[in-house]
Amino acid sequence: EAQVTQNPRYLITVTGKKLTVTCSQNMNHEYMSWYRQDPGLGLRQIYYSMNVEVTDKGDVPEGYKVSRKEKRNFPLILESPSPNQTSLYFCASSSDPYEQYFGPGTRLTVT
Amino acid sequence: KNQVEQSPQSLIILEGKNCTLQCNYTVSPFSNLRWYKQDTGRGPVSLTIMTFSENTKSNGRYTATLDADTKQSSLHITASQLSDSASYICVVSARAGTASKLTFGTGTRLQVTL
Repeated sequence: EAQVTQNPRYLITVTGKKLTVTCSQNMNHEYMSWYRQDPGLGLRQIYYSMNVEVTDKGDVPEGYKVSRKEKRNFPLILESPSPNQTSLYFCASSSDPYEQYFGPGTRLTVT
Repeated sequence: KNQVEQSPQSLIILEGKNCTLQCNYTVSPFSNLRWYKQDTGRGPVSLTIMTFSENTKSNGRYTATLDADTKQSSLHITASQLSDSASYICVVSARAGTASKLTFGTGTRLQVTL
């Protein structure tokens, strides 16, 4: 089954404790991206990658890092999480920038 | 600044009724417009995509329209079902050289009741 998977689905952590949210897709897509979704603000792009070893900042990249060492994986790294990064995070992949297949989401709470 | 505005913010309708959701955008240069359905706690799922030359596209009981001159789109849901309860997000793509830029609306939350 074609899908985008994210782990963990739910995470509660404390300020400053480094964490990684994994994202994996099995559709051989070149294009992957990370979004955060906050009430009243809609989806905002954090980072995107157009292929292996090619990443670029989206609209809200501060406080996040990504890497794309393999085509199927695109982890999101929070080196020092802060409460303002409490949000619902989505990974998406596509064969072009328009057709986005979204993962199930990761709800992150930073206390 | 590229913007996508959706209305209404929320809507409650009775099962079996029709409804229309609106999307106005100021995105340039326009490439395409997509409507997504997002169930609570799930990722968005694409319903339709329309390019500049298309003014109507259907997907079952969902029909999207696009007026590129007025920069407006609508999503019409026919004979609503309880399973239509979700947020509907309008996303507009702008061409940016070889890349693209997506602008998301904040969504319309639809609740279908008995």
